[in-house]
Amino acid sequence: DTGVSQDPRHKITKRGQNVTFRCDPISEHNRLYWYRQTLGQGPEFLTYFQNEAQLEKSRLLSDRFSAERPKGSFSTLEIQRTEQGDSAMYLCASSHSLAGARDTGELFFGEGSRLTVL
Amino acid sequence: RKEVEQDPGPFNVPEGATVAFNCTYSNSASQSFFWYRQDCRKEPKLLMSVYSSGNEDGRFTAQLNRASQYISLLIRDSKLSDSATYLCVVISTDSWGKLQFGAGTQVVVTP
Repeated sequence: DTGVSQDPRHKITKRGQNVTFRCDPISEHNRLYWYRQTLGQGPEFLTYFQNEAQLEKSRLLSDRFSAERPKGSFSTLEIQRTEQGDSAMYLCASSHSLAGARDTGELFFGEGSRLTVL
Repeated sequence: RKEVEQDPGPFNVPEGATVAFNCTYSNSASQSFFWYRQDCRKEPKLLMSVYSSGNEDGRFTAQLNRASQYISLLIRDSKLSDSATYLCVVISTDSWGKLQFGAGTQVVVTP
């Protein structure tokens, strides 16, 4: 399977714990995105990378959230000191676009990592 | 105010009928527009891009109205398999890499 893969698919944690999600994009894709989605809402932009460079972060992303893509391939999203409001589906997506160019608009999403904070 | 707004629905549509719905955007710098489809408990997938002159893809027609800042999607001859949530997506010139999603419009096609 050469699609976007995310791990773990489900994570249940207690409030205050740290969690980390991993995303492996489609191998030839240079852009990688993280979105968060809650029930009844559309995906909410968190951040995106062009290769290893993090080009934009949502203002909604508090300092408890950090994302990395150290070698321009897989990415991790860490949430520190989780809160119940962090419960959501965390979606990773990838695409291929020229540096600095408008995105083609076709993102390939993984199946998501569902986080439940008790 | 959200940058991208959609009527959440649900739009209940008899099989074979036509359904249409809009999406409004607030950022006048918005430049690229798309419709995505999301099935229940699945990831979103690109349905079609929206071009300035309007475009069709089979039973689906997308339109853009820049003056009123909205895009629309029309589905003709609805099939049961068209039941899904349709997400409006916008890219603005002030943030080329950031795809902004609306909350989605739910369509339920009934036999």
